[in-house]
Amino acid sequence: QKEVEQDPGPLSVPEGAIVSLNCTYSNSAFQYFMWYRQYSRKGPELLMYTYSSGNKEDGRFTAQVDKSSKYISLFIRDSQPSDSATYLCAMSGAYGGSQGNLIFGKGTKLSVKP
Amino acid sequence: NAGVTQTPKFRILKIGQSMTLQCTQDMNHNYMYWYRQDPGMGLKLIYYSVGAGITDKGEVPNGYNVSRSTTEDFPLRLELAAPSQTSVYFCASSPPGGLGELFFGEGSRLTVL
Repeated sequence: QKEVEQDPGPLSVPEGAIVSLNCTYSNSAFQYFMWYRQYSRKGPELLMYTYSSGNKEDGRFTAQVDKSSKYISLFIRDSQPSDSATYLCAMSGAYGGSQGNLIFGKGTKLSVKP
Repeated sequence: NAGVTQTPKFRILKIGQSMTLQCTQDMNHNYMYWYRQDPGMGLKLIYYSVGAGITDKGEVPNGYNVSRSTTEDFPLRLELAAPSQTSVYFCASSPPGGLGELFFGEGSRLTVL
């Protein structure tokens, strides 16, 4: 079983739709959970960051972590064509020197049609 | 601030050639990383550094070397290039306590033929 599983899509939705992106993981030591957004031919950029279980909201974006189910989600409300990108989940159990030793999902490619 | 700058953006190598991918950051971040991203795959950590003079292996270090002589620069050396090293390479940096908040460069696309 891979450490982090993420459906690669592609996912195509109409503008204004609610988008749900998900990852599952197997390592119960993970405590830090992130969502990165990557536009075509660009580097990833941090979108959302969550520590342990719970919800975090930032504008149209909501990140959820359910550690009991080893499941994380990213919701995008009122999706826009500018949200078209690949979304990568990432997670880590480490602090300090190895804090960047993130385990990434494969990414889900999202397309929002006008 | 330019952030994280990588050069070159594109390069084609022949099997057995060597090259260095350059990475520099102007955010005074202690931590720097090299990842590779293969099509349909997640990012894999190659090497990382917690400060000048200190480097450590990541998940996929074979065939690569790094050095960190200054806070700003973290070059990645490919020795004896192989087709398996065809990939997109991303350099990233983070401040201490950034806890997963990595700042990525735009990537270097390498093809080995």
